[in-house]
Amino acid sequence: AQSVAQPEDQVNVAEGNPLTVKCTYSVSGNPYLFWYVQYPNRGLQFLLKYITGDNLVKGSYGFEAEFNKSQTSFHLKKPSALVSDSALYFCAVSGNTGGFKTIFGAGTRLFVKA
Amino acid sequence: DGGITQSPKYLFRKEGQNVTLSCEQNLNHDAMYWYRQDPGQGLRLIYYSQIVNDFQKGDIAEGYSVSREKKESFPLTVTSAQKNPTAFYLCASTTKGSGPGELFFGEGSRLTVL
Repeated sequence: AQSVAQPEDQVNVAEGNPLTVKCTYSVSGNPYLFWYVQYPNRGLQFLLKYITGDNLVKGSYGFEAEFNKSQTSFHLKKPSALVSDSALYFCAVSGNTGGFKTIFGAGTRLFVKA
Repeated sequence: DGGITQSPKYLFRKEGQNVTLSCEQNLNHDAMYWYRQDPGQGLRLIYYSQIVNDFQKGDIAEGYSVSREKKESFPLTVTSAQKNPTAFYLCASTTKGSGPGELFFGEGSRLTVL
């Protein structure tokens, strides 16, 4: 069965500091991994994805994520946080067996303080 | 503009009533999804469909029904059997390609049971 864990309900960081939002996953076969961001009362917006290739994936708004197969992790990172990055972040996984079923984590709320 | 349209944005219903949430996409995507979002629980998959006239149950399908008669439409009915239907409902779609791609989301429908 597929599953995604985001161990932190909330992450607090000062503006200009690096940020990390953690994600671990479980899936049969090779994983397709995604990060999304959600602003209040809106749908989710895609940030980046990992399918294959380089373990460091770059995405929108300066975000990047590192795929670690041995630790089954896909942590979201940004070198320098902005106040406008404050939002709810979701990690998601699809497997290459079992069709297109996509499962999301519980979400991590990011607060960036000026 | 291409995208996903959900309607209505807000919906109130009395206990015991069925309601149908609309989801239409003009992205020519093959796969469509319905998720339910509750505070602290992230997005939970209700149903998904990879092709017209076919759909699969997600993790919380009980009390819900869907149809996929047209590629661009994937309506969700919340039946009176759903014990706690008050939630934010999100529809999404993606291309099939060589594997699951990123999901494109609608703006959501907030259902409140009075």
